[in-house]
Amino acid sequence: RKEVEQDPGPFNVPEGATVAFNCTYSNSASQSFFWYRQDCRKEPKLLMSVYSSGNEDGRFTAQLNRASQYISLLIRDSKLSDSATYLCVVNDRESGGGADGLTFGKGTHLIIQP
Amino acid sequence: DVKVTQSSRYLVKRTGEKVFLECVQDMDHENMFWYRQDPGLGLRLIYFSYDVKMKEKGDIPEGYSVSREKKERFSLILESASTNQTSMYLCASHLVQGNQPQHFGDGTRLSIL
Repeated sequence: RKEVEQDPGPFNVPEGATVAFNCTYSNSASQSFFWYRQDCRKEPKLLMSVYSSGNEDGRFTAQLNRASQYISLLIRDSKLSDSATYLCVVNDRESGGGADGLTFGKGTHLIIQP
Repeated sequence: DVKVTQSSRYLVKRTGEKVFLECVQDMDHENMFWYRQDPGLGLRLIYFSYDVKMKEKGDIPEGYSVSREKKERFSLILESASTNQTSMYLCASHLVQGNQPQHFGDGTRLSIL
């Protein structure tokens, strides 16, 4: 069974600090990777895709380590509004395939404290 | 901007009722999904569809059925609702080409009494 594992937390972090968390995946053939953010009682929303070379979007940096089969999310200068659950998503299917290949982690709960 | 719309944010039904949850997307996505999300269990896939009139079972299809008569609409049906189907239900869709991410609806918080 394909697994996507995340530390559930919660991570309690002071405002302004840098925080990072990882997500490990079991299928070495996984094709694409995403980070989603989910606020309490709301739907998951795409935060960023994760590219092989790593990518940055403002205060957020995502990285992929294929050799060790994990992706990471780093948040710099954390804000109170960053408090949320962060879901890791792994896609095992090649582009154009009809069937689902998405596996969701259970999420890491982040709390930014003033 | 992608829009996935679920028919109800909150719904309360009684045990044994037949329940319909509707989902519509406006971006001509091929794939559509129904998940439920429960505390400590994460998102679990109930059913998905990759084309009109096509459906595939996910991880927990028991007690559910689906319908996809039109590309933009994917319905989840609880044939005879039970209390253990009280949950948050999330619909999602995505474009197959290019391994695009999923886009979610707002969710339906369903309570079965």
